[in-house]
This record gives sequence, structure tokens and C-alpha cells, in this order.
Amino acid sequence: AQSVTQLGSHVSVSEGALVLLRCNYSSSVPPYLFWYVQYPNQGLQLLLKYTTGATLVKGINGFEAEFKKSETSFHLTKPSAHMSDAAEYFCAVTFMDTGRRALTFGSGTRLQVQP
Amino acid sequence: DARVTQTPRHKVTEMGQEVTMRCQPILGHNTVFWYRQTMMQGLELLAYFRNRAPLDDSGMPKDRFSAEMPDATLATLKIQPSEPRDSAVYFCASGLVLGRDTEAFFGQGTRLTVV
Repeated sequence: AQSVTQLGSHVSVSEGALVLLRCNYSSSVPPYLFWYVQYPNQGLQLLLKYTTGATLVKGINGFEAEFKKSETSFHLTKPSAHMSDAAEYFCAVTFMDTGRRALTFGSGTRLQVQP
Repeated sequence: DARVTQTPRHKVTEMGQEVTMRCQPILGHNTVFWYRQTMMQGLELLAYFRNRAPLDDSGMPKDRFSAEMPDATLATLKIQPSEPRDSAVYFCASGLVLGRDTEAFFGQGTRLTVV
């Protein structure tokens, strides 16, 4: 069955520390992959996406993610966390083996950044 | 600055009343999505349109929900009659979907409370 899983509903890091948010998918065909961020009482903003080509994708605000087909993963990283990174992060997928072209979202990971 | 506009931002209504949420997609986008966000279920796709035609509304309770695009600048989501379990944040998103690339831009959402 097709699915997208985010491991860890809450992640807490210290300011300046590495941020790692995990996302795995289940699909027989590599999907298109996205990371979105949601600040309180706001809509979702696209951080980055992978469709084809280079598997390491750089996005806004210093975030990047690497598509690993063998691990069916698309983890989000940032070398040094800032207080302003505190938000909820969603991994999203467009599954290619169906005709559906809508995003399927993971359950989200709330990132806390401690001073 | 192109953005998706949703109205109203907040709506409190009594059970049994009709609720209409409106969305103005970004000019030139050919696809509109409606998502619902709750603590329990996360982000769920309700329906989406391509070139104003409904492509998938399988996520929507058909007996009380309806979605339409009267024209390219307006999408509506109606609930009649509303129930307390419909309380959620409803997001509209639009995108220019070409081939397999599905990048969605989200509005700020309508927070619906049914009492």
C-alpha cells in the first residue's frame, strides 16, 4: 500500500545543532517528494521538492533533503538550527503509479528549538 | 505577490447551518485542492479540480459536502448541514500541474468551529 511516514511527532534540538527530520514512503514507483513547513495559524509553505535529477535538493532557509531510493527515504536536514525554525514540518508525496496528482501528507513533525 | 486567498479566515456556526468557504487560486494555476486539517487525522485531501473539472472528491463526505469551481477565479466548499465533527481548518491550495509535477501553494486556511 502507498503511504508516507514521518518518524517522530516531536523533535527538540538546541539552537545551532543539526536538525534531522525523517520521512519514508512506500510505493512501487519512486514518487515526487516535498517538504512543507507550517507556522502557527498559517498555511503550508513549500521548503523544497524532489522530482528528478540530483538527489540532494536544497531549499529555502538553509534546509536540504536527500532522496535515497534504496532506503525509500527523503529526510530533511539543516546544519544549524535557528529559533525561527520552530514550526511543524510535513513530508508530502505525489504517487506516480496512480493517476492521482494530489499530495499525500505525512502526519507532521513539530520541531522545537531550545535556546 | 501572488497568493491563494481564502475567506473567511474564521467561522463559528451552529450545528445544522450551511457553511460556505471560498478560495481564490493564483492566477494561471490550473489545479485547485481542498484539504482539511485536524489534530486526529492530520491533512486529508477532500477534493481537487483540474481546469475547473472535478478530478477526485473521494475524500469528501458526499451527503453533506460539495465543492465547485464556478469560474477560474473562485472555488467553493460547502457543508450543509454542518456538524460538530466538521470543526477543522480547511485549506485551499492551487498549482500549475504540468505532467507529473504537483507543486501546491496553500492559502491561510479557514478555521471552522461548529457548536
